[in-house]
Amino acid sequence: AQSVTQLGSHVSVSEGALVLLRCNYSSSVPPYLFWYVQYPNQGLQLLLKYTSAATLVKGINGFEAEFKKSETSFHLTKPSAHMSDAAEYFCAVSDLNFGNEKLTFGTGTRLTIIP
Amino acid sequence: KAGVTQTPRYLIKTRGQQVTLSCSPISGHRSVSWYQQTPGQGLQFLFEYFSETQRNKGNFPGRFSGRQFSNSRSEMNVSTLELGDSALYLCASASGRSNTGELFFGEGSRLTVL
Repeated sequence: AQSVTQLGSHVSVSEGALVLLRCNYSSSVPPYLFWYVQYPNQGLQLLLKYTSAATLVKGINGFEAEFKKSETSFHLTKPSAHMSDAAEYFCAVSDLNFGNEKLTFGTGTRLTIIP
Repeated sequence: KAGVTQTPRYLIKTRGQQVTLSCSPISGHRSVSWYQQTPGQGLQFLFEYFSETQRNKGNFPGRFSGRQFSNSRSEMNVSTLELGDSALYLCASASGRSNTGELFFGEGSRLTVL
């Protein structure tokens, strides 16, 4: 079974500082990987996805993630944090069975931005 | 185009009651998935429907059920509610024609069981 592990349930960074949210995956086949963001009292919104094309994936709001097979990682980064980035971030892996839209999520990382 | 719509947004029930939650997917999407989100367990997959058929099911007891209608709208039902069923229930839609994992989520239905 595929799974993802997010290191750090809470991360705090200063406004303008680098954001780094960690995600490691476990999969016996090339995975599809995703980062979703959840703002308070809202659903999840897709930030970016890796589907075996380019290993460096750019998403919305200035976020990007790099797929590293050797490290089984898919860490999310943003060069300069903004107050509006405060939210909970979820890494997810897709079940590759055809016709199956199931996602397995990590436990989430709550990002706090310090003014 | 309109996003995923879930109703009701908030509801309070008592133990033993049942509840039905509704989800209208994005127009043209034929796959609807349901997830339960709790502080302790995180996001847990409940089930996925495609063209009125359940395609996949998570590890939840039989009290949790769902269905999908011909217009792709979906409902999920929880019978004999327990305190532990208090959660945010998220619906997500996808085209269903390719396995990309790109889901579009609604804002959720927050269920409180007293």
